[in-house]
Amino acid sequence: AQRVTQPEKLLSVFKGAPVELKCNYSYSGSPELFWYVQYSRQRLQLLLRHISRESIKGFTADLNKGETSFHLKKPFAQEEDSAMYYCALSGRNAGNMLTFGGGTRLMVKP
Amino acid sequence: DTAVSQTPKYLVTQMGNDKSIKCEQNLGHDTMYWYKQDSKKFLKIMFSYNNKELIINETVPNRFSPKSPDKAHLNLHINSLELGDSAVYFCASSLKGAGNTIYFGEGSWLTVV
Repeated sequence: AQRVTQPEKLLSVFKGAPVELKCNYSYSGSPELFWYVQYSRQRLQLLLRHISRESIKGFTADLNKGETSFHLKKPFAQEEDSAMYYCALSGRNAGNMLTFGGGTRLMVKP
Repeated sequence: DTAVSQTPKYLVTQMGNDKSIKCEQNLGHDTMYWYKQDSKKFLKIMFSYNNKELIINETVPNRFSPKSPDKAHLNLHINSLELGDSAVYFCASSLKGAGNTIYFGEGSWLTVV
């Protein structure tokens, strides 16, 4: 079975502060990990995926297989980063089904 | 616009009614999905279709019946609506294969009263 855990439902930081959104996963094979973002009342959008190892909007995430984690980080939060963030896992034996974590609401205060 | 589009965006209906949500994608994808987002913002897969064939059916009541007339469309029909069906339903699509990006529609806000 595959599972994704985001331990924080809400993360509130001030503008300019560093941000780390935690994500841990459980999967028996080699997973594909993603971060999706959902701005207020909008569709989910792919933010980044571990396989591409890129930085989007200043966010990065590193897959740590030893700790089974895929934390999302940004050194300086901006107000426009306020949104729901979902960590997701796709496994080869699950028909490309995405399993989502419970989501973390990030609030960036001015 | 290339996208995943779903209609209606908002739907308010009474308990016991039957309703449908339509979804279309013009991305050339072969796999489509329905996800449910509940009031606590949890997102859960409901169904997945590949080339019009059902490949994933999570533990969803059989009042929910997906229909895929072709690989660009995956409609969701719900019979005998219950209060607990109130949620946001997201359609999505991708190419088959683990790791391929899944693209989501804008969501359909269903409220059962």
